Amino acid sequence: QVHLVQSGAELKKPGSSVTVSCTASGGTFSSYTLSWVRQAPGQGLEWMAEIIPIFDTATYAQKFQGRLTLTTDGSTTSAYMELTGLTSEDSAMYYCAREAPNGDYFDSWGQGTLVTVSS
Amino acid sequence: DIVMTQSPDSLAVSLGERATINCKSSQTILYSSNNKDYLAWYQQKPGQPPKLLIFWASTRESGVPDRFSASGSGTDFTLTISSLQAEDVAVYYCQQHYTTPRTFGQGTKVEIK
Repeated sequence: QVHLVQSGAELKKPGSSVTVSCTASGGTFSSYTLSWVRQAPGQGLEWMAEIIPIFDTATYAQKFQGRLTLTTDGSTTSAYMELTGLTSEDSAMYYCAREAPNGDYFDSWGQGTLVTVSS
Repeated sequence: DIVMTQSPDSLAVSLGERATINCKSSQTILYSSNNKDYLAWYQQKPGQPPKLLIFWASTRESGVPDRFSASGSGTDFTLTISSLQAEDVAVYYCQQHYTTPRTFGQGTKVEIK
């Protein structure tokens, strides 16, 4: 069973960037698609983007086009989410989630990374 | 984008009673080529990531108690907890996995009455 392990909490200044990692523990992402979902404090879930690690191809929600970049480490073990131009509205818990290959639902989630944007 | 709308926003149910959550999509999420509805349900408890309960509208994920069931097709879906347990207190989300952007309902908070 592959577990997704994310990097630790981040405190960032407005206007800066943040990179969050997601590592497959106990295996690889293989041919799975990996999505990033965020959740502002007390709010619902918002899908941001997805990447297919073996092809290194990404699809972004229009809202984040231009300031969000998904990458991998060239293997199928770690993936990264970089968000630039941070504002207080980007303060949220960020999750990586694996999409099941047979239906694109999220069958495994990372533990979450809290990103706080504050001056 | 497909808009997912849940109702109610919250509900309080007595232990052992039934809880029902509705979810409506702004367009069909039934994939005609395989006749499957691309609708998932998740449970999220405080301080935890979401947990998959149901996919393809009615298929229970392995390990999910059978008091959780779901139904619906096309644009209208329902999640039912047949006999509410204390550990079921959580926020429940529906999500369409039919197309990108993947979209979620706003969530329904289930509490004990």
